[in-house]
Amino acid sequence: QVQLQESGPGLVKASETLSLTCVVSGGSINPYYWSWIRQPPGKGLEWIGYVHYSGSTTYNPSLKSRVTMLVDTSKNQISLKLTSVTAADTAVYYCARGGATMDVWGKGTTVSVSS
Amino acid sequence: DIVMTQSPDSLAVSLGERATINCKSSQSVLYSSHNITYLAWYQQKSGQPPKLLIYWASTRESGVPDRFSGSGSGTDFTLTISSLQAEDVAVYYCQQYYRTPFTFGPGTTVDMK
Repeated sequence: QVQLQESGPGLVKASETLSLTCVVSGGSINPYYWSWIRQPPGKGLEWIGYVHYSGSTTYNPSLKSRVTMLVDTSKNQISLKLTSVTAADTAVYYCARGGATMDVWGKGTTVSVSS
Repeated sequence: DIVMTQSPDSLAVSLGERATINCKSSQSVLYSSHNITYLAWYQQKSGQPPKLLIYWASTRESGVPDRFSGSGSGTDFTLTISSLQAEDVAVYYCQQYYRTPFTFGPGTTVDMK
């Protein structure tokens, strides 16, 4: 079955750019939407946005100025970039299949922002 | 943004007893012309990613036990676990997908009494 694996640096310095990759295995990126969701330590879930396999995107307005999501169909992976990070961006970042409801999730990757 | 609230914050239920979680949206998530409700429920066990349980307010995801049921429409929704099992200990989140940004409730923790 489809599995998702997030990866990226676990520690990012404040003001720098967070870059994460999500590799999709056991299935194709086509024809799905793919979402990123984050969860600060001990807190709830925040929807960051989604990217369609065609490359079209929709972002949370609260993060829109800092977020870029891309899809690479040749590598069967999606990516997330978040610029100008602060301590408030410290969270577990999940990628998931689906643009509205998310039916397959990765295990998540923890990103801490250091000052 | 559509604000989601949940009650209670936490509850403890005995094995085999019913657990009821409420969710409320700040505006209707019913697409009335199609009579479709854009509300989902997720279960998150400790140290794991969320798992989709229910979508369209009452449709169980494939493989989800039938002790889980969702109901409600408009702005008020309920997730019911008819007979709590040990493996149901988790945090439960509702989510609206009627309008972006999609938003989640703050979560309800279900423990065993």
